Amino acid sequence: KNEVEQSPQNLTAQEGEFITINCSYSVGISALHWLQQHPGGGIVSLFMLSSGKKKHGRLIATINIQEKHSSLHITASHPRDSAVYICAVKEETSGSRLTFGEGTQLTVNP
Amino acid sequence: DAGITQSPRHKVTETGTPVTLRCHQTENHRYMYWYRQDPGHGLRLIHYSYGVKDTDKGEVSDGYSVSRSKTEDFLLTLESATSSQTSVYFCAISAAQGYGYTFGSGTRLTVV
Repeated sequence: KNEVEQSPQNLTAQEGEFITINCSYSVGISALHWLQQHPGGGIVSLFMLSSGKKKHGRLIATINIQEKHSSLHITASHPRDSAVYICAVKEETSGSRLTFGEGTQLTVNP
Repeated sequence: DAGITQSPRHKVTETGTPVTLRCHQTENHRYMYWYRQDPGHGLRLIHYSYGVKDTDKGEVSDGYSVSRSKTEDFLLTLESATSSQTSVYFCAISAAQGYGYTFGSGTRLTVV
């Protein structure tokens, strides 16, 4: 079992829909990252959070440390949001290294 | 203005040949990482560096070596490439523990 599990693996939505991607982890962490990987392959860091909630534009990330769960929400989705979204955790005992989920492929249709 | 560049972007090589991938940063960050990305797996850590000449193994380090002789460059070497090392390789940098990460654009390596 992976230490970081994402769901769903694949998600197809219509433009304008509210989207939620989930991440569950099984280890103690000091931080959780949400990353975006575009079809061209580049990886961009979206959020780093250790508690509560962060918002940037139409993206919202939440984390519940007690439940070992995080969600990434996209409001008013747009075709340009189509990408792979990756959850990664920094374990308490791993120094600066990250453990990654396998990613969620999001496709937003016009 | 990328701050981190990987070279080459694409490479095809033959089994048994040595290959070196380069990661170059202009951010003066302390930490540098090499990951590989394969279908069905999340990014997996190969090696990382926490300073000049300070490196350590990750979870999939067999068949790979690294060197960091100066802050800005982190080299990944496949001493004798095998088909199982066909993958997309990403370099990442981080200023310190608890800080965010910046990823390179990736190197697609094919071993035939």
